Amino acid sequence: DAKTTQPTSMDCAEGRAANLPCNHSTISGNEYVYWYRQIHSQGPQYIIHGLKNNETNEMASLIITEDRKSSTLILPHATLRDTAVYYCIVRVAYSGAGSYQLTFGKGTKLSVIP
Amino acid sequence: DGGITQSPKYLFRKEGQNVTLSCEQNLNHDAMYWYRQDPGQGLRLIYYSQIVNDFQKGDIAEGYSVSREKKESFPLTVTSAQKNPTAFYLCASSSFGKLFFGSGTQLSVL
Repeated sequence: DAKTTQPTSMDCAEGRAANLPCNHSTISGNEYVYWYRQIHSQGPQYIIHGLKNNETNEMASLIITEDRKSSTLILPHATLRDTAVYYCIVRVAYSGAGSYQLTFGKGTKLSVIP
Repeated sequence: DGGITQSPKYLFRKEGQNVTLSCEQNLNHDAMYWYRQDPGQGLRLIYYSQIVNDFQKGDIAEGYSVSREKKESFPLTVTSAQKNPTAFYLCASSSFGKLFFGSGTQLSVL
């Protein structure tokens, strides 16, 4: 799996957009970018994933650069409940359970400030 | 509601004791996983199972054992051979590339 690099921590003012970057310069053509978040002492929660096109759902938007070497997760209007550790992962999808050995790095700790 | 249920939320182990962490899912997923998380760290894969009666070792399987007798259940036993068992344990299942996690079990050594 391609390795990812994320900042250790970020702050964001409540109500503003939170932009969380992720570098994955060794990503392969068939690898997807997944984002999960983990609120303290809970299990990680799936947020969004994409291959090369930008994606949006009710939680967030995912912007992937044209060369696919980096991506940005956007929380459009951050709330205090968005304070969590955010993990960026790249992985081949849909190729059997053995492939879902997702490697979770340390992620980015996002603190939303009132 | 569909989801992953882990129990207990907190568990204490005495020296030399085996303990079993429960994981049940009603999502009808074939694949299930166990991860370990140490403070300030990411998740590390212990074991995973693709179908009933089959499971594979992950990156840190030593000192742990699992069984998969039913599709819904994937219990993890932390054996006395695991010398540093204190950690947060997470169970998950997957469907179409997405992982769904339980709320975790915090295991501590007395």
